[in-house]
Amino acid sequence: QTVVTQEPSFSVSPGGTVTLTCGLSSGSVSTSYYPSWYQQTPGQAPRTLIYSTNTRSSGVPDRFSGSILGNKAALTITGAQADDESDYYCVLYMGSGISIFGGGTKLTVL
Amino acid sequence: QVQLQESGPGLGKPSETLSLTCTVSGGSFSSSNYYWGWIRQPPGKGLEWIGSMYYSGSTYYNPSLKSRVTISADTSKNQFSLRLSSVTAADTAVYYCARTSLLGDWYFDLWGRGTLVTVSS
Repeated sequence: QTVVTQEPSFSVSPGGTVTLTCGLSSGSVSTSYYPSWYQQTPGQAPRTLIYSTNTRSSGVPDRFSGSILGNKAALTITGAQADDESDYYCVLYMGSGISIFGGGTKLTVL
Repeated sequence: QVQLQESGPGLGKPSETLSLTCTVSGGSFSSSNYYWGWIRQPPGKGLEWIGSMYYSGSTYYNPSLKSRVTISADTSKNQFSLRLSSVTAADTAVYYCARTSLLGDWYFDLWGRGTLVTVSS
């Protein structure tokens, strides 16, 4: 069974830069998996941040960027702000209509 | 703009079938550019894709839930629905309906606000 892996937690200082990653239990992530990223704060529905590896969704600040780093998809936040403290989820498209969520990363800004 | 709204019972009993409906407003369910589906989140846990459907009727399900899940649509009402059978306490979660964009990519571009379903006797 394929598992999408994310760091369970990460912390960053205000104004700092952090890179969250999204990998596969077996194999490498490529653009063919259409990596996407979502931000979720407690009690709220997820918000779409990045799709197709590196395209920002409408209204998303340019301090959020997506890429492929090595064999993983990555979400980089440059100049972190207090309200970036959230849970971040990646999704990979596995083909045949199937999507898999990563376990999520809890980001703390302190 | 297009919005999604989940509706359905907030409480269900073990072994019963959970049924939820998502209403699409401000746009058409019958668009060739999107899939429509469901995602859930147990309390304090991560997100899990349940399944999706195309307006033509094609369906795609999470293999781990496939035996218990049915997603269907009522195009006349611009609605699609989720049925999850033989529920247990492990199915307690916030259930989101979501739209998947097929416009040269694949991602969830629109979300409902979510509805909490609790399974308890």
